[in-house]
Amino acid sequence: KQEVTQIPAALSVPEGENLVLNCSFTDSAIYNLQWFRQDPGKGLTSLLLIQSSQREQTSGRLNASLDKSSGRSTLYIAASQPGDSATYLCAVGSGGSNYKLTFGKGTLLTVNP
Amino acid sequence: KAGVTQTPRYLIKTRGQQVTLSCSPISGHRSVSWYQQTPGQGLQFLFEYFSETQRNKGNFPGRFSGRQFSNSRSEMNVSTLELGDSALYLCASRFRDPYNEQFFGPGTRLTVL
Repeated sequence: KQEVTQIPAALSVPEGENLVLNCSFTDSAIYNLQWFRQDPGKGLTSLLLIQSSQREQTSGRLNASLDKSSGRSTLYIAASQPGDSATYLCAVGSGGSNYKLTFGKGTLLTVNP
Repeated sequence: KAGVTQTPRYLIKTRGQQVTLSCSPISGHRSVSWYQQTPGQGLQFLFEYFSETQRNKGNFPGRFSGRQFSNSRSEMNVSTLELGDSALYLCASRFRDPYNEQFFGPGTRLTVL
């Protein structure tokens, strides 16, 4: 059974700082890994999708890496802004013919002006 | 291109009642998945439909059911509601195979009194 853990559970940083969010998973037989952002009471916004054959993906100030063999992914946010404040969720896509996303509990990020 | 839409956005029901939630995927997407999000359990997979067939199911009781129509729209039904069913129900769509990115709707907030 796939299990996904995100560390830290919460993070508070001053504006302008670079930061790293961590995600680990127990079963390395994955199709892909997706990072999402969730604002309070809202749905999920997809940030980055990394296929199992890829090592990293970049979008603007965001960079996500994947090390499938060690069961780890990191989301790097450069030059953080107050608007980046949200919960960041890591989701691992696995299961073969029974494909589904397994989510971590998320990291609550607060960027202080 | 319109995103995933869910109706209604908010719902209040009492124990023992039943409820039906609706999800319209992004145009051209044939896969629709449903997830339940609660503060305690986080995001958990309910089921996935593809071309009107349930392709995968999570570990939820039979009170939770769904269906998909020929236009890919999907409905989720919960019968005999319990207090613990109070949650944000999220629907996600993707184009076809597991290599594709999943896009989430804004969710339906269900409160059971």
